[in-house]
Amino acid sequence: AQKVTQAQTEISVVEKEDVTLDCVYETRDTTYYLFWYKQPPSGELVFLIRRNSFDEQNEISGRYSWNFQKSTSSFNFTITASQVVDSAVYFCALSDPNTGGFKTIFGAGTRLFVKA
Amino acid sequence: NAGVTQTPKFRVLKTGQSMTLLCAQDMNHEYMYWYRQDPGMGLRLIHYSVGEGTTAKGEVPDGYNVSRLKKQNFLLGLESAAPSQTSVYFCASSYITTGLSSYEQYFGPGTRLTVT
Repeated sequence: AQKVTQAQTEISVVEKEDVTLDCVYETRDTTYYLFWYKQPPSGELVFLIRRNSFDEQNEISGRYSWNFQKSTSSFNFTITASQVVDSAVYFCALSDPNTGGFKTIFGAGTRLFVKA
Repeated sequence: NAGVTQTPKFRVLKTGQSMTLLCAQDMNHEYMYWYRQDPGMGLRLIHYSVGEGTTAKGEVPDGYNVSRLKKQNFLLGLESAAPSQTSVYFCASSYITTGLSSYEQYFGPGTRLTVT
C-alpha cells in the first residue's frame, strides 16, 4: 500500500533561519508523482511542486528547494531564509498510478511556525 | 477565473440533518474530488469523479453521496449527519494528462462543518 509519512508534526524557527521539512513515502510502483502543497492560515491548499519518479534532479524556486532521493524514498523540502509568511501547514503527497492516477495520498502535514 | 469555489463556507448541523455542499470549477477540469481534513490526519479522499456523470468511492465514502451532473459542478451530500462528520471539507479539481498519473490538484477554500 502507498503511504506518505511526515514525521515532523510542528516546527518552529526564527525568521531568516533555514528549515527542512521531511517527507518519506512508500510505494511499489516505479511510476508515480510526488507533490508539496502549502496550506496558509487562510485554509486553502496551494500547489508548490510536482516531481515524477523518473526525475531525481533537485529543484530550486527562489527560497524553496526540493531534494528527491529515490534511494531513501524521500522528498524533502527546504525553505532558505524563512519568513513569517512561510508560516503554514505543508503537505507532501503521492499520486498512485495504479488507481488511474487520480487518487492522491497525503501525509499528515507539518505545521511550520516562523517567528519574527 | 474564480478557480474552485465552495458553498457554503461554514455550516452547523444537528445530528440527523442533511445537507449538500456545492463545488464549482471554471477551469474545464475533468477530474474533481472531495476530501475531508481532520487534525493530524492530512486529507482523506471521500469521493471523486473522472468526468460528467461518473463518480467513484474514495478512502472514506460512508455517510456521503455525490453527484456530477455538470462538468463544472461536484456536489457532496450528507444524508444523515453524525458528529463524526465534523470536519473541514475540501473540493479539488485537476486536468487529464496523457500519462497515467494526474497532475496537481487545485483546491477550493474549504467548508467548515460542525455536527452537534
